[in-house]
Amino acid sequence: DAGVTQSPTHLIKTRGQQVTLRCSPISGHKSVSWYQQVLGQGPQFIFQYYEKEERGRGNFPDRFSARQFPNYSSELNVNALLLGDSALYLCASSLVRNSNQPQHFGDGTRLSIL
Amino acid sequence: GDSVTQMEGPVTLSEEAFLTINCTYTATGYPSLFWYVQYPGEGLQLLLKATKADDKGSNKGFEATYRKETTSFHLEKGSVQVSDSAVYFCAEDQAGTALIFGKGTTLSVSS
Repeated sequence: DAGVTQSPTHLIKTRGQQVTLRCSPISGHKSVSWYQQVLGQGPQFIFQYYEKEERGRGNFPDRFSARQFPNYSSELNVNALLLGDSALYLCASSLVRNSNQPQHFGDGTRLSIL
Repeated sequence: GDSVTQMEGPVTLSEEAFLTINCTYTATGYPSLFWYVQYPGEGLQLLLKATKADDKGSNKGFEATYRKETTSFHLEKGSVQVSDSAVYFCAEDQAGTALIFGKGTTLSVSS
C-alpha cells in the first residue's frame, strides 16, 4: 500500500507570494495533520483535520489555512509568504483521531522563500 | 503548554556500541509516547510507541519503556550499526490531535 504522499517535493517562492501544498493520506486513514519543521528543530503542529473538519490548530498566524476533501486528501495554503516560512512541511495521516493511533508521515515539501 | 525534552546531540558512537537517548515529557495524565527517526532528506518514520505506563515499545533492536514515575521514555539499543545514523525524535500525544516533539538528537555511528 502507498504511504502518505505529498506534492510538490520542492518549491521556491518569493516573499509575498502564496503557496498550496498537497497531501494524500494512506488509504483508509481519515485524519490528516500538518507540521512545519524548521532546519535543526522538531516538527511543530499546524493543523489537524478529521472527517473534513478542523479538529486542532497550532500557534500559527491566520496566513496559514487548510482544508480536507471528501476523499480525505488535504491542502495547506500559506498567504503572504515571509522568509521565516522557509521550512519542510510535513503531512501525517492516522486511521482515526486517537492518541493511541500513530501518525504516519510523508517525505514532506521543502519550501524555500527568497 | 506541554513539552518534550531530549538530550542534546550530536551523539557519536562506534559500531556495536550501546546507545541511550534520554527523553522526558511534561504532559499530565497518560499521553501516548513515540520515537520517530528521520533519515537525511526524508520524512519521519515511526520507530516505536507505548500507550500506557510500564509498556515497552520495541522495533529493529531499539527499545523504550514508558516510565510514568519519572515521566521518561528513553531510547536504547544494545549494538548500533552505521545504518542507524539519523535524527531521532521523541514525541507525545495527549489528546489525539497534535504530536509534541522534542528538538531531535542526531546520532552518528562510525565503523
